[in-house]
Amino acid sequence: ETGVTQTPRHLVMGMTNKKSLKCEQHLGHNAMYWYKQSAKKPLELMFVYNFKEQTENNSVPSRFSPECPNSSHLFLHLHTLQPEDSALYLCASSQEGTTRQGAGYSPLHFGNGTRLTVT
Amino acid sequence: RKEVEQDPGPFNVPEGATVAFNCTYSNSASQSFFWYRQDCRKEPKLLMSVYSSGNEDGRFTAQLNRASQYISLLIRDSKLSDSATYLCVVNADPSGYSTLTFGKGTMLLVSP
Repeated sequence: ETGVTQTPRHLVMGMTNKKSLKCEQHLGHNAMYWYKQSAKKPLELMFVYNFKEQTENNSVPSRFSPECPNSSHLFLHLHTLQPEDSALYLCASSQEGTTRQGAGYSPLHFGNGTRLTVT
Repeated sequence: RKEVEQDPGPFNVPEGATVAFNCTYSNSASQSFFWYRQDCRKEPKLLMSVYSSGNEDGRFTAQLNRASQYISLLIRDSKLSDSATYLCVVNADPSGYSTLTFGKGTMLLVSP
């Protein structure tokens, strides 16, 4: 029981499909994140929401679109993906200090990830 | 210099051995340091935070060397179940809206 749940666990989609990844955290944290993990690469931060405000984007292509309706839920909407987008997508949450403080002072709690394959 | 750098390994050790990993970071202003463990095809899980004075949790000891800008993880009496990838994580840019930066990880393989 990680306290952070992600669905689906596995997803196969074509390049013209539209799908969404869902993340829910039950830890009462105020910051949520999307990370991408590709083979032989470090985890890459995609998006950060701190107190529901997006505070970091990291130049992610527009085919990835995040949504954070409240502090417990986070979505990643996918459309017209490329095969190189195939990876493990991890959601995480943390408890940060204030609305305007940069995230990164508290440890992250990860969900079990969505393994995405784009065909 | 990469923000967070680790030897990818693998480190192959027998059960009962002591093994140590280092991780270097580039920003001397970094303030938060962690070790995570990641099993194959699973999510990373927090192993331990790293405090300035060093800290220990059972068989695991973490240390921070600010002068040389590295953190270390020592595992004593290795178990088969310690086989995993160990990720070094640093708050690499604490001056702005920073988040934690992950190293590529060091793979540990403990054999019978």
